[in-house]
Amino acid sequence: TQLLEQSPQFLSIQEGENLTVYCNSSSVFSSLQWYRQEPGEGPVLLVTVVTGGEVKKLKRLTFQFGDARKDSSLHITAAQPGDTGLYLCAGDASGGSYIPTFGRGTSLIVHP
Amino acid sequence: DAGITQSPRHKVTETGTPVTLRCHQTENHRYMYWYRQDPGHGLRLIHYSYGVKDTDKGEVSDGYSVSRSKTEDFLLTLESATSSQTSVYFCATSPSGASTDTQYFGPGTRLTVL
Repeated sequence: TQLLEQSPQFLSIQEGENLTVYCNSSSVFSSLQWYRQEPGEGPVLLVTVVTGGEVKKLKRLTFQFGDARKDSSLHITAAQPGDTGLYLCAGDASGGSYIPTFGRGTSLIVHP
Repeated sequence: DAGITQSPRHKVTETGTPVTLRCHQTENHRYMYWYRQDPGHGLRLIHYSYGVKDTDKGEVSDGYSVSRSKTEDFLLTLESATSSQTSVYFCATSPSGASTDTQYFGPGTRLTVL
């Protein structure tokens, strides 16, 4: 069972465009994390969101946690080729000790 | 960056042979994890450890075993490799295992089972 559904699965855009990727679930999460993975490397944490409705900004990246803590979005403004990579959301809905669950990821390519 | 290394980085083996992958960390993190990453499936948790000799199963543990005899080392063993275990394997660590902890990932091991 995939608790975290990410969309779109693939995204190919030109430099300068804006984009949004989504991470949705029917379960409530105590927190959600976003990671970026570049080819041939392990994922690297971008942000953790904890509070429903929370918005965090990291330069051109804006992360939002849904009010009901069931969904999150990542918005990139004026995408650059360096943003190319696989974006993964991760969280835990077990309610007990943390068992990490990752979404399948959104593969982003930004063309110069 | 947390010092996490994986060995080997690449391995090709034959069906039915045993394989052991090693993860080594220098950060003294309590929690360690093994994931596999396959196209269309994302990262799936195989096993994790919450201390020396303390391990538990993840989502896709069948066919895999783990051991942790020292804080810094976490071994993943495929007792009898099958072609379905061809994948990229990632090790990760976190300080306390909390959902808000950063997970630090190693560079991955690409395993091919022929």
